[in-house]
Amino acid sequence: SQQGEEDPQALSIQEGENATMNCSYKTSINNLQWYRQNSGRGLVHLILIRSNEREKHSGRLRVTLDTSKKSSSLLITASRAADTASYFCATARYGNNRLAFGKGNQVVVIP
Amino acid sequence: GAVVSQHPSRVICKSGTSVKIECRSLDFQATTMFWYRQFPKQSLMLMATSNEGSKATYEQGVEKDKFLINHASLTLSTLTVTSAHPEDSSFYICSAIDISTDTQYFGPGTRLTVL
Repeated sequence: SQQGEEDPQALSIQEGENATMNCSYKTSINNLQWYRQNSGRGLVHLILIRSNEREKHSGRLRVTLDTSKKSSSLLITASRAADTASYFCATARYGNNRLAFGKGNQVVVIP
Repeated sequence: GAVVSQHPSRVICKSGTSVKIECRSLDFQATTMFWYRQFPKQSLMLMATSNEGSKATYEQGVEKDKFLINHASLTLSTLTVTSAHPEDSSFYICSAIDISTDTQYFGPGTRLTVL
């Protein structure tokens, strides 16, 4: 069953604006990972946050994790046209490296 | 970051033939690899877990005799789609776990079209 479930929204923003996506899941997790996928391509790993972490930064990316609400958010600051892609969250449970993917969020950054 | 390659990137075949897709971890050893399938505008669906030196573990609903998986070394897993049919046309993506970081790295995918 799908563990990660992003809010089912397509996001269209102007270059320079921030983009925020959310992800919710149902069971206990070991970690949560965010991936980006450009059309027709493979997935690019963006960031991993462990269950004992609350916030993590990587460049223009900021991920938060709220295990009490079983949710995560991905913030892309100062967006660029090259950030146009689909973004997926995926959760991994303890003792099991299988990832459960959410539906994905389509982000379009308008130059 | 770690790199995972897939070959071929695209393949077109006739119905009834078999197609082999390779997945390699290029700069780390992977005892576990995964095979996913993705339909247009949809998320990834896990097909099977490939374990080095042992049998693959298939997800419910995935035919193991149709999707043969072999994980013969710590850097290579292969997926063979046997007797392919048009409904097998899809984007197949593999991934490998770098156990030193718990991170799963994905290959670039293989677009399979069965005529």
